[in-house]
Amino acid sequence: QKEVEQDPGPLSVPEGAIVSLNCTYSNSAFQYFMWYRQYSRKGPELLMYTYSSGNKEDGRFTAQVDKSSKYISLFIRDSQPSDSATYLCAMSQWGSQGNLIFGKGTKLSVKP
Amino acid sequence: KAGVTQTPRYLIKTRGQQVTLSCSPISGHRSVSWYQQTPGQGLQFLFEYFSETQRNKGNFPGRFSGRQFSNSRSEMNVSTLELGDSALYLCASSPGTGIAEQYFGPGTRLTVT
Repeated sequence: QKEVEQDPGPLSVPEGAIVSLNCTYSNSAFQYFMWYRQYSRKGPELLMYTYSSGNKEDGRFTAQVDKSSKYISLFIRDSQPSDSATYLCAMSQWGSQGNLIFGKGTKLSVKP
Repeated sequence: KAGVTQTPRYLIKTRGQQVTLSCSPISGHRSVSWYQQTPGQGLQFLFEYFSETQRNKGNFPGRFSGRQFSNSRSEMNVSTLELGDSALYLCASSPGTGIAEQYFGPGTRLTVT
Protein backbone atom coordinates (compact mmCIF):
# COMPACT_ATOMS: atom_id res chain seq x y z
CA GLN A 1 0.00 0.00 0.00
CA LYS A 2 1.34 3.40 -0.98
CA GLU A 3 1.70 5.94 1.81
CA VAL A 4 -0.50 8.47 -0.01
CA GLU A 5 -3.24 7.55 -2.47
CA GLN A 6 -4.83 10.01 -4.85
CA ASP A 7 -7.23 9.34 -7.72
CA PRO A 8 -5.40 10.44 -10.88
CA GLY A 9 -8.60 11.34 -12.73
CA PRO A 10 -8.87 12.96 -15.17
CA LEU A 11 -11.71 14.97 -13.70
CA SER A 12 -13.74 17.16 -16.05
CA VAL A 13 -16.30 19.66 -14.74
CA PRO A 14 -18.25 22.61 -16.19
CA GLU A 15 -17.28 26.14 -15.26
CA GLY A 16 -18.87 27.21 -11.98
CA ALA A 17 -19.04 23.70 -10.51
CA ILE A 18 -17.80 22.74 -7.07
CA VAL A 19 -14.79 20.47 -7.31
CA SER A 20 -13.86 17.94 -4.65
CA LEU A 21 -10.36 16.45 -4.61
CA ASN A 22 -9.26 13.84 -2.08
CA CYS A 23 -6.32 11.89 -0.74
CA THR A 24 -6.04 9.05 1.73
CA TYR A 25 -2.92 8.13 3.64
CA SER A 26 -1.67 5.30 5.80
CA ASN A 27 0.95 6.92 8.07
CA SER A 28 -0.72 8.17 11.24
CA ALA A 29 2.40 10.24 12.04
CA PHE A 30 1.63 12.74 9.28
CA GLN A 31 0.78 16.13 10.82
CA TYR A 32 1.39 18.65 8.03
CA PHE A 33 -0.89 18.62 5.00
CA MET A 34 -0.60 20.65 1.83
CA TRP A 35 -2.25 21.04 -1.53
CA TYR A 36 -0.27 22.11 -4.56
CA ARG A 37 -1.39 23.10 -8.04
CA GLN A 38 0.85 22.32 -10.98
CA TYR A 39 0.35 23.66 -14.45
CA SER A 40 1.89 21.81 -17.37
CA ARG A 41 5.69 22.16 -17.47
CA LYS A 42 5.75 24.34 -14.33
CA GLY A 43 6.76 23.75 -10.72
CA PRO A 44 4.09 23.01 -8.07
CA GLU A 45 2.48 26.07 -6.48
CA LEU A 46 1.44 25.91 -2.82
CA LEU A 47 -2.32 26.46 -2.47
CA MET A 48 -3.21 25.43 1.05
CA TYR A 49 -1.41 24.35 4.20
CA THR A 50 -3.05 22.76 7.23
CA TYR A 51 -1.49 21.57 10.45
CA SER A 52 -3.17 18.56 12.09
CA SER A 53 -6.96 18.24 11.79
CA GLY A 54 -9.54 20.82 10.84
CA ASN A 55 -10.66 23.10 8.04
CA LYS A 56 -9.02 26.05 6.37
CA GLU A 57 -10.56 28.42 3.86
CA ASP A 58 -8.85 30.80 1.45
CA GLY A 59 -11.03 32.47 -1.14
CA ARG A 60 -12.59 29.80 -3.34
CA PHE A 61 -10.49 27.04 -1.77
CA THR A 62 -11.28 25.00 1.35
CA ALA A 63 -8.97 22.32 2.76
CA GLN A 64 -10.18 19.71 5.21
CA VAL A 65 -8.18 17.20 7.23
CA ASP A 66 -9.74 14.24 9.02
CA LYS A 67 -6.92 12.49 10.85
CA SER A 68 -9.22 9.87 12.36
CA SER A 69 -10.09 8.67 8.84
CA LYS A 70 -6.66 9.51 7.37
CA TYR A 71 -8.42 11.51 4.67
CA ILE A 72 -7.84 15.01 3.31
CA SER A 73 -9.89 17.04 0.86
CA LEU A 74 -9.65 20.17 -1.22
CA PHE A 75 -12.82 21.92 -2.38
CA ILE A 76 -12.83 24.49 -5.15
CA ARG A 77 -15.95 26.65 -5.40
CA ASP A 78 -17.06 28.45 -8.56
CA SER A 79 -14.40 26.65 -10.61
CA GLN A 80 -12.83 28.55 -13.50
CA PRO A 81 -11.07 27.36 -16.68
CA SER A 82 -7.88 28.80 -15.16
CA ASP A 83 -8.19 26.15 -12.41
CA SER A 84 -7.43 23.47 -15.01
CA ALA A 85 -4.23 21.88 -13.73
CA THR A 86 -2.94 18.88 -11.79
CA TYR A 87 -3.62 19.03 -8.06
CA LEU A 88 -1.18 17.29 -5.74
CA CYS A 89 -1.67 16.51 -2.09
CA ALA A 90 1.44 16.36 0.08
CA MET A 91 2.12 15.60 3.71
CA SER A 92 4.95 15.24 6.19
CA GLN A 93 5.61 14.38 9.80
CA TRP A 94 7.35 16.06 12.70
CA GLY A 95 11.11 15.81 12.40
CA SER A 96 10.91 15.27 8.64
CA GLN A 97 9.10 18.42 7.59
CA GLY A 98 11.45 18.79 4.64
CA ASN A 99 10.46 15.37 3.30
CA LEU A 100 7.09 15.81 1.65
CA ILE A 101 5.27 12.65 0.57
CA PHE A 102 3.14 13.37 -2.48
CA GLY A 103 0.10 11.80 -4.03
CA LYS A 104 0.32 11.11 -7.76
CA GLY A 105 -1.92 14.09 -8.53
CA THR A 106 -5.41 14.56 -9.97
CA LYS A 107 -5.70 16.17 -13.38
CA LEU A 108 -8.60 18.64 -13.42
CA SER A 109 -10.19 20.19 -16.50
CA VAL A 110 -12.77 22.97 -16.14
CA LYS A 111 -14.75 23.45 -19.34
CA PRO A 112 -16.13 26.92 -20.24
CA LYS B 1 10.43 38.66 -2.85
CA ALA B 2 11.94 36.68 -5.66
CA GLY B 3 10.89 33.06 -5.83
CA VAL B 4 13.00 29.93 -6.02
CA THR B 5 15.22 29.90 -9.08
CA GLN B 6 16.77 26.88 -10.75
CA THR B 7 19.41 26.66 -13.43
CA PRO B 8 19.63 25.42 -16.06
CA ARG B 9 15.97 24.98 -17.04
CA TYR B 10 16.67 22.33 -19.66
CA LEU B 11 19.55 19.91 -20.04
CA ILE B 12 20.35 17.08 -22.42
CA LYS B 13 23.06 14.64 -21.40
CA THR B 14 24.40 11.32 -22.59
CA ARG B 15 24.27 8.13 -20.57
CA GLY B 16 27.36 7.81 -18.37
CA GLN B 17 27.95 11.54 -18.02
CA GLN B 18 27.43 13.53 -14.84
CA VAL B 19 25.35 16.65 -14.27
CA THR B 20 25.11 19.43 -11.69
CA LEU B 21 21.89 21.36 -11.08
CA SER B 22 21.67 24.59 -9.12
CA CYS B 23 18.99 26.07 -6.88
CA SER B 24 18.70 29.50 -5.22
CA PRO B 25 16.09 29.56 -2.45
CA ILE B 26 13.80 32.41 -1.48
CA SER B 27 15.76 35.04 0.42
CA GLY B 28 15.86 34.17 4.12
CA HIS B 29 14.95 30.52 3.61
CA ARG B 30 17.49 28.14 5.06
CA SER B 31 16.06 24.75 4.07
CA VAL B 32 16.31 23.37 0.55
CA SER B 33 14.75 20.08 -0.57
CA TRP B 34 15.18 18.33 -3.89
CA TYR B 35 12.61 16.14 -5.66
CA GLN B 36 12.50 14.06 -8.81
CA GLN B 37 9.25 14.07 -10.80
CA THR B 38 8.49 11.43 -13.43
CA PRO B 39 5.17 10.42 -15.04
CA GLY B 40 5.40 6.94 -13.54
CA GLN B 41 6.56 7.64 -9.99
CA GLY B 42 5.30 11.18 -9.46
CA LEU B 43 7.22 13.44 -7.07
CA GLN B 44 9.83 11.64 -4.99
CA PHE B 45 11.99 13.16 -2.29
CA LEU B 46 15.74 13.11 -2.88
CA PHE B 47 17.24 15.00 0.08
CA GLU B 48 16.95 18.07 2.28
CA TYR B 49 19.66 20.48 3.36
CA PHE B 50 19.52 22.91 6.24
CA SER B 51 22.40 25.17 7.28
CA GLU B 52 24.79 23.31 4.96
CA THR B 53 23.96 19.91 6.50
CA GLN B 54 21.96 17.10 4.95
CA ARG B 55 18.98 16.65 7.27
CA ASN B 56 16.96 13.99 5.44
CA LYS B 57 17.61 11.63 2.57
CA GLY B 58 15.24 9.68 0.32
CA ASN B 59 15.68 6.25 -1.22
CA PHE B 60 17.87 7.09 -4.15
CA PRO B 61 21.24 5.51 -5.04
CA GLY B 62 24.51 7.15 -4.06
CA ARG B 63 24.89 8.52 -7.60
CA PHE B 64 22.59 11.30 -6.42
CA SER B 65 24.29 13.77 -4.11
CA GLY B 66 23.90 17.34 -3.05
CA ARG B 67 25.33 20.14 -1.03
CA GLN B 68 24.37 23.49 0.37
CA PHE B 69 26.48 26.61 0.63
CA SER B 70 26.65 29.20 3.39
CA ASN B 71 24.29 31.50 1.45
CA SER B 72 21.71 28.62 1.37
CA ARG B 73 22.12 28.05 -2.36
CA SER B 74 22.16 24.35 -3.17
CA GLU B 75 23.43 22.07 -5.88
CA MET B 76 22.62 18.50 -6.70
CA ASN B 77 24.83 16.19 -8.70
CA VAL B 78 24.00 13.01 -10.55
CA SER B 79 26.94 10.89 -11.64
CA THR B 80 27.02 8.10 -14.23
CA LEU B 81 23.68 9.10 -15.72
CA GLU B 82 21.19 6.42 -16.72
CA LEU B 83 18.27 6.68 -19.12
CA GLY B 84 15.91 6.36 -16.15
CA ASP B 85 17.29 9.58 -14.66
CA SER B 86 15.37 11.56 -17.27
CA ALA B 87 12.96 13.62 -15.18
CA LEU B 88 11.97 17.03 -13.93
CA TYR B 89 14.17 17.91 -10.94
CA LEU B 90 12.50 20.29 -8.55
CA CYS B 91 13.99 22.32 -5.77
CA ALA B 92 11.87 23.66 -2.91
CA SER B 93 12.76 26.07 -0.15
CA SER B 94 11.35 26.59 3.31
CA PRO B 95 12.20 28.93 6.15
CA GLY B 96 13.20 25.79 8.07
CA THR B 97 13.03 25.29 11.82
CA GLY B 98 9.97 23.09 11.94
CA ILE B 99 8.07 24.78 9.12
CA ALA B 100 6.61 22.34 6.64
CA GLU B 101 5.43 24.60 3.81
CA GLN B 102 7.73 24.40 0.82
CA TYR B 103 7.89 26.69 -2.18
CA PHE B 104 8.97 25.16 -5.44
CA GLY B 105 11.07 26.45 -8.28
CA PRO B 106 10.24 25.86 -11.95
CA GLY B 107 12.45 22.78 -12.16
CA THR B 108 15.22 21.56 -14.41
CA ARG B 109 14.11 19.16 -17.13
CA LEU B 110 16.89 16.60 -17.64
CA THR B 111 16.86 14.33 -20.66
CA VAL B 112 19.38 11.48 -20.80
CA THR B 113 20.00 9.95 -24.24
